[in-house]
Amino acid sequence: ETGVTQTPRHLVMGMTNKKSLKCEQHLGHNAMYWYKQSAKKPLELMFVYNFKEQTENNSVPSRFSPECPNSSHLFLHLHTLQPEDSALYLCASSPLGKGASSYEQYFGPGTRLTVT
Amino acid sequence: ILNVEQSPQSLHVQEGDSTNFTCSFPSSNFYALHWYRWETAKSPEALFVMTLNGDEKKKGRISATLNTKEGYSYLYIKGSQPEDSATYLCALGYSTLTFGKGTMLLVSP
Repeated sequence: ETGVTQTPRHLVMGMTNKKSLKCEQHLGHNAMYWYKQSAKKPLELMFVYNFKEQTENNSVPSRFSPECPNSSHLFLHLHTLQPEDSALYLCASSPLGKGASSYEQYFGPGTRLTVT
Repeated sequence: ILNVEQSPQSLHVQEGDSTNFTCSFPSSNFYALHWYRWETAKSPEALFVMTLNGDEKKKGRISATLNTKEGYSYLYIKGSQPEDSATYLCALGYSTLTFGKGTMLLVSP
Protein backbone atom coordinates (compact mmCIF):
# COMPACT_ATOMS: atom_id res chain seq x y z
CA GLU A 1 0.00 0.00 0.00
CA THR A 2 1.31 3.42 -0.88
CA GLY A 3 0.58 7.03 0.07
CA VAL A 4 -1.21 8.22 3.18
CA THR A 5 -3.96 6.08 4.66
CA GLN A 6 -6.46 6.92 7.38
CA THR A 7 -8.77 4.72 9.42
CA PRO A 8 -11.60 4.69 10.04
CA ARG A 9 -13.08 6.59 7.10
CA HIS A 10 -16.28 7.31 9.00
CA LEU A 11 -16.87 7.48 12.75
CA VAL A 12 -19.94 8.25 14.81
CA MET A 13 -19.35 8.68 18.52
CA GLY A 14 -21.20 9.91 21.55
CA MET A 15 -19.92 12.75 23.68
CA THR A 16 -18.79 10.37 26.42
CA ASN A 17 -16.94 7.96 24.12
CA LYS A 18 -13.19 7.63 23.64
CA LYS A 19 -11.97 6.84 20.15
CA SER A 20 -8.80 7.17 18.12
CA LEU A 21 -8.09 8.13 14.52
CA LYS A 22 -5.13 6.49 12.82
CA CYS A 23 -2.91 7.78 10.04
CA GLU A 24 -0.13 5.89 8.32
CA GLN A 25 2.23 7.10 5.62
CA HIS A 26 4.28 4.82 3.40
CA LEU A 27 6.32 7.59 1.78
CA GLY A 28 9.32 7.79 4.11
CA HIS A 29 8.38 11.34 5.11
CA ASN A 30 9.66 13.11 8.22
CA ALA A 31 6.72 15.35 9.08
CA MET A 32 3.08 14.53 9.77
CA TYR A 33 0.08 16.77 10.32
CA TRP A 34 -3.50 16.75 11.55
CA TYR A 35 -6.03 19.11 9.97
CA LYS A 36 -9.70 19.81 10.63
CA GLN A 37 -12.17 20.73 7.89
CA SER A 38 -15.46 22.12 9.19
CA ALA A 39 -18.32 23.14 6.95
CA LYS A 40 -17.76 26.49 5.21
CA LYS A 41 -14.37 26.97 6.90
CA PRO A 42 -10.85 26.62 5.50
CA LEU A 43 -8.67 23.64 6.30
CA GLU A 44 -7.37 24.31 9.78
CA LEU A 45 -4.01 23.00 11.01
CA MET A 46 -4.23 21.27 14.39
CA PHE A 47 -0.88 19.59 15.08
CA VAL A 48 2.52 19.21 13.43
CA TYR A 49 5.11 16.52 14.15
CA ASN A 50 8.63 16.85 12.74
CA PHE A 51 10.85 13.78 13.22
CA LYS A 52 8.33 12.44 15.78
CA GLU A 53 8.49 15.62 17.88
CA GLN A 54 5.44 17.85 18.19
CA THR A 55 6.36 21.27 16.90
CA GLU A 56 2.97 22.90 16.56
CA ASN A 57 -0.24 22.84 18.59
CA ASN A 58 -2.60 25.34 17.05
CA SER A 59 -4.54 26.10 20.26
CA VAL A 60 -6.40 22.81 20.01
CA PRO A 61 -8.60 21.84 23.00
CA SER A 62 -7.17 19.10 25.23
CA ARG A 63 -10.01 16.73 24.30
CA PHE A 64 -7.90 16.14 21.16
CA SER A 65 -4.66 14.36 22.00
CA PRO A 66 -2.13 13.50 19.27
CA GLU A 67 0.42 10.72 19.40
CA CYS A 68 3.29 10.02 17.03
CA PRO A 69 5.03 6.75 18.03
CA ASN A 70 7.24 6.71 14.93
CA SER A 71 7.71 8.68 11.74
CA SER A 72 5.17 6.53 9.85
CA HIS A 73 2.25 6.60 12.24
CA LEU A 74 0.13 9.36 13.71
CA PHE A 75 -2.86 9.04 15.99
CA LEU A 76 -5.50 11.47 17.19
CA HIS A 77 -7.10 10.36 20.44
CA LEU A 78 -10.56 11.75 21.05
CA HIS A 79 -12.46 11.98 24.34
CA THR A 80 -15.49 13.88 25.61
CA LEU A 81 -15.98 15.60 22.28
CA GLN A 82 -18.72 18.13 21.55
CA PRO A 83 -21.16 18.11 18.61
CA GLU A 84 -19.30 21.10 17.14
CA ASP A 85 -16.24 18.86 16.77
CA SER A 86 -18.05 17.03 13.97
CA ALA A 87 -15.89 17.57 10.91
CA LEU A 88 -13.58 15.94 8.39
CA TYR A 89 -10.17 15.20 9.94
CA LEU A 90 -7.32 14.98 7.47
CA CYS A 91 -3.83 13.67 7.99
CA ALA A 92 -0.90 14.73 5.83
CA SER A 93 2.84 14.11 5.57
CA SER A 94 5.74 15.88 3.91
CA PRO A 95 9.39 14.97 3.26
CA LEU A 96 11.05 18.03 4.86
CA GLY A 97 14.45 18.74 3.45
CA LYS A 98 16.02 21.11 0.99
CA GLY A 99 14.01 22.80 -1.69
CA ALA A 100 10.46 24.03 -1.89
CA SER A 101 9.10 20.69 -3.12
CA SER A 102 10.12 19.09 0.18
CA TYR A 103 7.32 21.09 1.81
CA GLU A 104 4.58 19.67 -0.42
CA GLN A 105 2.08 17.90 1.77
CA TYR A 106 0.53 14.56 0.83
CA PHE A 107 -2.93 14.11 2.26
CA GLY A 108 -4.92 11.10 3.31
CA PRO A 109 -8.60 10.68 2.43
CA GLY A 110 -9.80 11.86 5.83
CA THR A 111 -12.06 10.57 8.58
CA ARG A 112 -15.59 11.94 8.61
CA LEU A 113 -16.41 12.32 12.33
CA THR A 114 -19.91 12.83 13.69
CA VAL A 115 -20.36 13.54 17.39
CA THR A 116 -23.86 12.87 18.66
CA ILE B 1 -3.80 35.74 12.29
CA LEU B 2 -2.72 35.24 8.68
CA ASN B 3 -5.46 36.04 6.17
CA VAL B 4 -5.45 34.06 2.92
CA GLU B 5 -8.25 35.08 0.58
CA GLN B 6 -9.36 33.24 -2.53
CA SER B 7 -11.66 34.48 -5.27
CA PRO B 8 -14.03 33.72 -6.72
CA GLN B 9 -15.66 31.40 -4.20
CA SER B 10 -17.08 29.29 -7.03
CA LEU B 11 -16.94 29.21 -10.80
CA HIS B 12 -18.95 27.39 -13.45
CA VAL B 13 -17.44 27.21 -16.96
CA GLN B 14 -18.01 25.25 -20.14
CA GLU B 15 -15.61 22.62 -21.43
CA GLY B 16 -12.88 24.32 -23.43
CA ASP B 17 -13.04 27.63 -21.55
CA SER B 18 -9.89 28.96 -19.97
CA THR B 19 -10.19 30.25 -16.45
CA ASN B 20 -8.19 31.71 -13.60
CA PHE B 21 -8.48 32.19 -9.86
CA THR B 22 -6.78 34.48 -7.38
CA CYS B 23 -5.13 33.90 -4.04
CA SER B 24 -4.34 37.03 -1.98
CA PHE B 25 -2.15 37.14 1.10
CA PRO B 26 -0.19 39.60 3.26
CA SER B 27 3.03 40.47 1.45
CA SER B 28 5.05 40.76 4.67
CA ASN B 29 6.70 37.65 6.18
CA PHE B 30 6.20 35.59 3.04
CA TYR B 31 7.69 32.08 3.00
CA ALA B 32 6.01 29.91 0.38
CA LEU B 33 2.73 29.67 -1.52
CA HIS B 34 1.09 26.32 -2.20
CA TRP B 35 -1.71 25.35 -4.59
CA TYR B 36 -3.72 22.17 -4.05
CA ARG B 37 -6.53 20.52 -6.01
CA TRP B 38 -9.23 18.74 -4.00
CA GLU B 39 -11.67 16.57 -5.89
CA THR B 40 -14.83 15.44 -4.13
CA ALA B 41 -14.35 12.25 -2.08
CA LYS B 42 -10.59 12.29 -2.73
CA SER B 43 -7.50 13.61 -0.96
CA PRO B 44 -6.16 17.11 -1.61
CA GLU B 45 -3.36 16.86 -4.18
CA ALA B 46 -0.39 19.22 -4.35
CA LEU B 47 -0.09 21.18 -7.59
CA PHE B 48 2.66 23.73 -6.98
CA VAL B 49 4.89 25.22 -4.30
CA MET B 50 6.33 28.62 -5.13
CA THR B 51 8.80 30.64 -3.11
CA LEU B 52 10.27 33.40 -5.28
CA ASN B 53 8.69 36.59 -6.52
CA GLY B 54 7.98 36.15 -10.21
CA ASP B 55 7.89 32.35 -9.98
CA GLU B 56 5.88 30.65 -12.69
CA LYS B 57 5.02 26.97 -12.55
CA LYS B 58 3.27 24.77 -15.10
CA LYS B 59 1.82 21.27 -15.04
CA GLY B 60 0.02 20.31 -18.23
CA ARG B 61 -2.82 22.78 -18.80
CA ILE B 62 -2.49 24.29 -15.32
CA SER B 63 -0.07 27.09 -14.50
CA ALA B 64 0.50 29.51 -11.63
CA THR B 65 2.25 32.80 -11.06
CA LEU B 66 3.42 34.49 -7.89
CA ASN B 67 3.80 38.16 -6.92
CA THR B 68 5.11 38.36 -3.36
CA LYS B 69 5.52 42.15 -3.39
CA GLU B 70 1.84 42.80 -3.97
CA GLY B 71 0.66 39.62 -2.25
CA TYR B 72 -1.13 37.53 -4.84
CA SER B 73 -0.91 34.37 -6.91
CA TYR B 74 -2.93 33.39 -9.96
CA LEU B 75 -3.84 29.87 -11.01
CA TYR B 76 -4.72 29.42 -14.69
CA ILE B 77 -6.41 26.47 -16.37
CA LYS B 78 -6.26 26.44 -20.16
CA GLY B 79 -9.02 24.63 -22.04
CA SER B 80 -10.92 23.39 -18.96
CA GLN B 81 -12.10 19.79 -18.98
CA PRO B 82 -14.82 18.17 -16.83
CA GLU B 83 -12.10 16.29 -14.93
CA ASP B 84 -10.74 19.67 -13.78
CA SER B 85 -13.85 20.08 -11.63
CA ALA B 86 -12.58 20.36 -8.06
CA THR B 87 -11.92 22.83 -5.27
CA TYR B 88 -8.61 24.64 -5.70
CA LEU B 89 -6.93 25.65 -2.45
CA CYS B 90 -4.04 27.97 -1.84
CA ALA B 91 -2.02 27.99 1.36
CA LEU B 92 0.75 30.10 2.83
CA GLY B 93 3.78 28.84 4.75
CA TYR B 94 6.48 26.19 4.67
CA SER B 95 5.22 23.35 6.85
CA THR B 96 2.77 25.27 9.04
CA LEU B 97 0.20 26.09 6.39
CA THR B 98 -2.64 28.61 6.51
CA PHE B 99 -5.25 27.75 3.89
CA GLY B 100 -7.79 29.86 2.06
CA LYS B 101 -11.38 28.70 1.73
CA GLY B 102 -10.84 27.60 -1.86
CA THR B 103 -12.39 28.18 -5.26
CA MET B 104 -14.88 25.52 -6.34
CA LEU B 105 -14.66 24.94 -10.09
CA LEU B 106 -17.34 23.13 -12.06
CA VAL B 107 -16.66 22.38 -15.73
CA SER B 108 -19.69 21.33 -17.74
CA PRO B 109 -19.33 19.18 -20.87
